[in-house]
Amino acid sequence: NAGVTQTPKFQVLKTGQSMTLQCAQDMNHEYMSWYRQDPGMGLRLIHYSVGAGITDQGEVPNGYNVSRSTTEDFPLRLLSAAPSQTSVYFCASSYRSSSYNSPLHFGNGTRLTVT
Amino acid sequence: SQQGEEDPQALSIQEGENATMNCSYKTSINNLQWYRQNSGRGLVHLILIRSNEREKHSGRLRVTLDTSKKSSSLLITASRAADTASYFCATGKGLQGGSEKLVFGKGTKLTVNP
Repeated sequence: NAGVTQTPKFQVLKTGQSMTLQCAQDMNHEYMSWYRQDPGMGLRLIHYSVGAGITDQGEVPNGYNVSRSTTEDFPLRLLSAAPSQTSVYFCASSYRSSSYNSPLHFGNGTRLTVT
Repeated sequence: SQQGEEDPQALSIQEGENATMNCSYKTSINNLQWYRQNSGRGLVHLILIRSNEREKHSGRLRVTLDTSKKSSSLLITASRAADTASYFCATGKGLQGGSEKLVFGKGTKLTVNP
């Protein structure tokens, strides 16, 4: 089982560039989410989805877009990269809503640097 | 804002000793989860305890929950060097529509010295 797969593992962007972080899961999970992890800040929720066609904002959604056209994929788009978006990004999924008796499964992260 | 806060921020012990980490939270919850993160990797789920449970065990892990004090503790017994990692608590509370936003604390960095 592949679980949650994130690509790329590393990315360097210049300020103002756009890009898409990919996330795919092969566990038929309904719930998918994106977190960013910064030193001293822990993990903060960016966006989440409870099923195909349904997305909602988390704690820090500004500067990011998401869509969920299939159950398997949940890409995160950076519209115009800023140095403040330098972070490690984690995608996570679970069978049902994030904590209804179903733990989150995490990918191994994308380390993004914006110069 | 962060819901859970772990304490201590860092903990260094010798192999074979027990490690205790604490988590405090602010509002009512449906459940509380603990995760482990090895350096450079994603988080791995360890244990989930529901708000109506007081204690739960899984192998060398023991989790307690005190909803009156809004706190939880994670005990790792007979620690091993492989337990070296960061440990996070996460709290969940149902929102309208049944979806939940799992909120993580900042973590405790545990170092187990051989």
